[in-house]
Amino acid sequence: EVQLVESGGGLVQPGGSLTLSCAASGFTFGIYNMSWVRQAPGKGLEWISHISGSGFATYYADAVKGRFTISRDNAKDSLFLLMNSLRDDDTAVYYCARRTGVDWGQGTLVTVSS
Amino acid sequence: DIQMTQSPSSLSASVGDRVTITCRASQGIRNDLGWYQQRPGKAPRRLIYDASRLPGGVSSKFSGGGSGTEFTLTINSLQPEDFATYYCLQYHDFPHTFGQGTKLEIK
Repeated sequence: EVQLVESGGGLVQPGGSLTLSCAASGFTFGIYNMSWVRQAPGKGLEWISHISGSGFATYYADAVKGRFTISRDNAKDSLFLLMNSLRDDDTAVYYCARRTGVDWGQGTLVTVSS
Repeated sequence: DIQMTQSPSSLSASVGDRVTITCRASQGIRNDLGWYQQRPGKAPRRLIYDASRLPGGVSSKFSGGGSGTEFTLTINSLQPEDFATYYCLQYHDFPHTFGQGTKLEIK
């Protein structure tokens, strides 16, 4: 059974940093592209980042480009999202997803507030 | 960036009804489109990929159609568990982009 478990969310002040993790199991992690998708409270889904299976290719939404960094550790079946210069409008539930949403984690809430 | 325009934004229907949701892409995306269901407080679930393909485990009451710039999701014989929010997602090009969502409510 495929499982994706996000962690690392919490309350952070504007301008602060946070790293999200996603632990994968139940599939051969290293051969799949992975994505991060977020959802602000009461709003729709927003795709924010993608990484190839090898980790060499990464893509970002304009809203997070230059502030967020996606990475992965295939030896540890883990996906990461380093978030810098956080703003109020980054407040959201952050989901990791296998490929283009084949499977999803349960999400982790990030709240940016002073 | 490719814009995805989803309509309607909300839809009221009764148990047993058939409904159709539409997504239009701002440029051609071949069939690189998926549909997702999200129930309140839950993670999204993929219903359709490559515009019309049904993943294993998804009921055949869901069907997808279209290619290029216009796509549809049809849900037959609505049941209480189908009342949720539905999103399209284009993965033809980066950045990937979702439609704004369609909230399906019970009449």
